[in-house]
Amino acid sequence: EAGVTQFPSHSVIEKGQTVTLRCDPISGHDNLYWYRRVMGKEIKFLLHFVKESKQDESGMPNNRFLAERTGGTYSTLKVQPAELEDSGVYFCASSQDRRGYEQYFGPGTRLTVT
Amino acid sequence: ILNVEQSPQSLHVQEGDSTNFTCSFPSSNFYALHWYRWETAKSPEALFVMTLNGDEKKKGRISATLNTKEGYSYLYIKGSQPEDSATYLCAFYSNDYKLSFGAGTTVTVRA
Repeated sequence: EAGVTQFPSHSVIEKGQTVTLRCDPISGHDNLYWYRRVMGKEIKFLLHFVKESKQDESGMPNNRFLAERTGGTYSTLKVQPAELEDSGVYFCASSQDRRGYEQYFGPGTRLTVT
Repeated sequence: ILNVEQSPQSLHVQEGDSTNFTCSFPSSNFYALHWYRWETAKSPEALFVMTLNGDEKKKGRISATLNTKEGYSYLYIKGSQPEDSATYLCAFYSNDYKLSFGAGTTVTVRA
C-alpha cells in the first residue's frame, strides 16, 4: 500500500512569489491534515480536511495560505505571496479515523523562502 | 495551545552506549501519547502509541514509559547504533482529537 506522498520534496522561492504544495493521502483516507515545522521548533497543526470539507483550519497562520481538497482526494496548500517566515517543512498526514488517532505522515516539503 | 516539551534538544551518543530522553506534557485532557522517529526527507515513523498510566512499550532496542499523572514519558535506546541517529518526536493526543508535538530530541550516534 502506498503511503502519503508529497510534492515537491524541496522548493526554493523568493519572497513575494507563490508556491503550491501537493499532498496525496493514503487511498481511502477521508481525513487529511497539514502541519508545519519551522526549523528547530515543534510541528504545528495547520488544518484538517474531512473529504473535501475543512473541518478545522484554526492553525492557518494568515490569509496568505490557501488549502484546497477538491474531490476529496489530493490536497494543495498555496502560499501567496511567500514571506521569509514561511520557510520550514510542511507535512501532510492522513487517517481513516475522523478523530485522527492514528495519522500517517508524508515525508514533507522543505520550503525555503529567500 | 498545549505545551509539550522535549529535553534535551540534542544529544550525542557513542555507539554501543544507552541513552534516554524526556517528553513532558499536560496531565489534563490526556488521551494518548505518540512517539515518532524522523529522519530528514523521510516520513516520520510511528514508534509507539501509549494510553495507560504506567504503560511500557518496546520495539527492538527502543522502549518507552508513560506517567500520565505527572505528565511525562521517557524514551530509551539501548546499545545505540548509527542507524538510531534521527529526531525523536513526541506528540500529545488530547481528548479533543488534536495532536500537539514537542520540538524533538535529535540523537546522533557516533561510531
